[in-house]
Amino acid sequence: AQSVTQLGSHVSVSEGALVLLRCNYSSSVPPYLFWYVQYPNQGLQLLLKYTTGATLVKGINGFEAEFKKSETSFHLTKPSAHMSDAAEYFCAVSGRGGGSYIPTFGRGTSLIVHP
Amino acid sequence: EAGVAQSPRYKIIEKRQSVAFWCNPISGHATLYWYQQILGQGPKLLIQFQNNGVVDDSQLPKDRFSAERLKGVDSTLKIQPAKLEDSAVYLCASSSRQGVNTEAFFGQGTRLTVV
Repeated sequence: AQSVTQLGSHVSVSEGALVLLRCNYSSSVPPYLFWYVQYPNQGLQLLLKYTTGATLVKGINGFEAEFKKSETSFHLTKPSAHMSDAAEYFCAVSGRGGGSYIPTFGRGTSLIVHP
Repeated sequence: EAGVAQSPRYKIIEKRQSVAFWCNPISGHATLYWYQQILGQGPKLLIQFQNNGVVDDSQLPKDRFSAERLKGVDSTLKIQPAKLEDSAVYLCASSSRQGVNTEAFFGQGTRLTVV
């Protein structure tokens, strides 16, 4: 079975500051990892995903995430926050091989951006 | 290309009443998912269809929830009778195929309030 833990239900940053949203995963098989963003009253939109190959993954809107197997982490970062980044962010995991391929989502982290 | 369409956007019902949600996936997408997202939590998969067949419904409360996908296109999710704890956003998503790294595209969701 796979699961993800998102550390911090809320993260608050100033506009222009570094954004760091934390995600740790648990998986009995090599994982696929995803970050989704959800704006108010909207569905989820894929930001980026890790499948195989390069461990540093670049996504849309200037976000990137690094897969660190030794730390079982897949933290999301953005060098400079923008007001439009304020949203709910979800980390998700699915499993390769014998694991379930249905994404399992974390509880989400709300990103608040102050002017 | 048109996205995943869901209706209604909002629904308020009394407990023990029935309710139905409708989803029209992206044209040509064989895989369709229904997720339940309770406030403050990540989405939880209720049921997955591949064309008009059920792939996974292990987390669907079958005593009160039902879903169908006739002709492998549109889908409806029904709750009968509703309970207070069913208050949530119901998200429909579709993807072009099954698979661990296939992106799922989400609709805007239906927000259900049971009073």
